[in-house]
Amino acid sequence: ETAVFQTPNYHVTQVGNEVSFNCKQTLGHDTMYWYKQDSKKLLKIMFSYNNKQLIVNETVPRRFSPQSSDKAHLNLRIKSVEPEDSAVYLCASSRDWGNSYEQYFGPGTRLTVL
Amino acid sequence: AQKVTQTQTSISVVEKTTVTMDCVYETRDSSYFLFWYKQTASGEIVFLIRQDSYKKENATVGHYSLNFQKPKSSIGLIITATQIEDSAVYFCAMREGDNYAQGLTFGLGTRVSVFP
Repeated sequence: ETAVFQTPNYHVTQVGNEVSFNCKQTLGHDTMYWYKQDSKKLLKIMFSYNNKQLIVNETVPRRFSPQSSDKAHLNLRIKSVEPEDSAVYLCASSRDWGNSYEQYFGPGTRLTVL
Repeated sequence: AQKVTQTQTSISVVEKTTVTMDCVYETRDSSYFLFWYKQTASGEIVFLIRQDSYKKENATVGHYSLNFQKPKSSIGLIITATQIEDSAVYFCAMREGDNYAQGLTFGLGTRVSVFP
């Protein structure tokens, strides 16, 4: 099965802890993304990454950082979580060639910060 | 800066009828791509259909079609012959230009409820 996979599904932690979320895609795509979906369902891009460039949304706090080992994996690390980081984090991927630009999403990781 | 606006927060329809939802966008780029996604109750986000700015024809995929009105910066989604499983939140999204690594800008979504 080819898709975008995320682990864990849920994570509960306390303020100040470090967390890391994993994302893997088996679609053969070249570009991967992290989005944040808040309690109002607004989806906002955080990072996009391929082998040529990392694009960071300027509104993303520095405690967030993407980590990639290869083009099929893009993890998200949060150094010291804050209460406002409680959200669903969605990973996505897309091709960067041809005329197929749509992004495919993983199931998301729900983070709750106590 | 690019912006996507969905003014309808929720729509209720009877199954087997047609539902139409609106989306307007703002961009300074002459080349852009518009997408519609569906988020199910389980949280899964599914790509539905896409419209490229340079194409005049409205895109159609299955029972989804688009109403692209470029002068009005509008891209409506039409779902015909709705089914109960079409109940979901529908998001309009846009990507500007030819930068493949650029993320999508999303609207706030329209919740569609399909009743028997």
